[in-house]
Amino acid sequence: NAGVTQTPKFQVLKTGQSMTLQCAQDMNHEYMSWYRQDPGMGLRLIHYSVGAGITDQGEVPNGYNVSRSTTEDFPLRLLSAAPSQTSVYFCASRNGRVNEQFFGPGTRLTVL
Amino acid sequence: SQELEQSPQSLIVQEGKNLTINCTSSKTLYGLYWYKQKYGEGLIFLMMLQKGGEEKSHEKITAKLDEKKQQSSLHITASQPSHAGIYLCGALYGGATNKLIFGTGTLLAVQP
Repeated sequence: NAGVTQTPKFQVLKTGQSMTLQCAQDMNHEYMSWYRQDPGMGLRLIHYSVGAGITDQGEVPNGYNVSRSTTEDFPLRLLSAAPSQTSVYFCASRNGRVNEQFFGPGTRLTVL
Repeated sequence: SQELEQSPQSLIVQEGKNLTINCTSSKTLYGLYWYKQKYGEGLIFLMMLQKGGEEKSHEKITAKLDEKKQQSSLHITASQPSHAGIYLCGALYGGATNKLIFGTGTLLAVQP
């Protein structure tokens, strides 16, 4: 199993550009989440999903959209990038409510 | 998350010394996760606690969830340079157990 994979690893955007961060897992996990990590802020939950077709907002959802059309994939879309979205983004998945949560390697995004 | 606080924010210890990191919740926890992150890398799952009074160990790292299920402590015995990194606690709350939210983390440095 590849586990949780994320692409790209690094990305530089200009303010106002759009892009999609990709996340995929091959463990058939129901739960998938997106987090951002800023210095001194720990991890903050952006959006999460409890299954295909079901998504919900986390702590900091503004400026981000998600969809979950398949169990495997959970892309995160930035419609109009802002410098405040410069961060490291982690995707995660787990099998059920109270189980180990696996994290992807992260995407380092810089918005100029 | 303001519901979940970690202390201390940072810690420097001499190799061989013991240390404790605390994670305190303003609400009763349904489940508590501990992760470790090396600088610039992904997150490594250490352990998860769910029952009040539960204690688990992983090599020289022990974590306990108090009886009231509002605080967890992570204890490292005889610290080594390999223990250095960021330690993060994550919480599930009853009624919102779909969301796994995290504290701000504790940065640990171990001096040889």
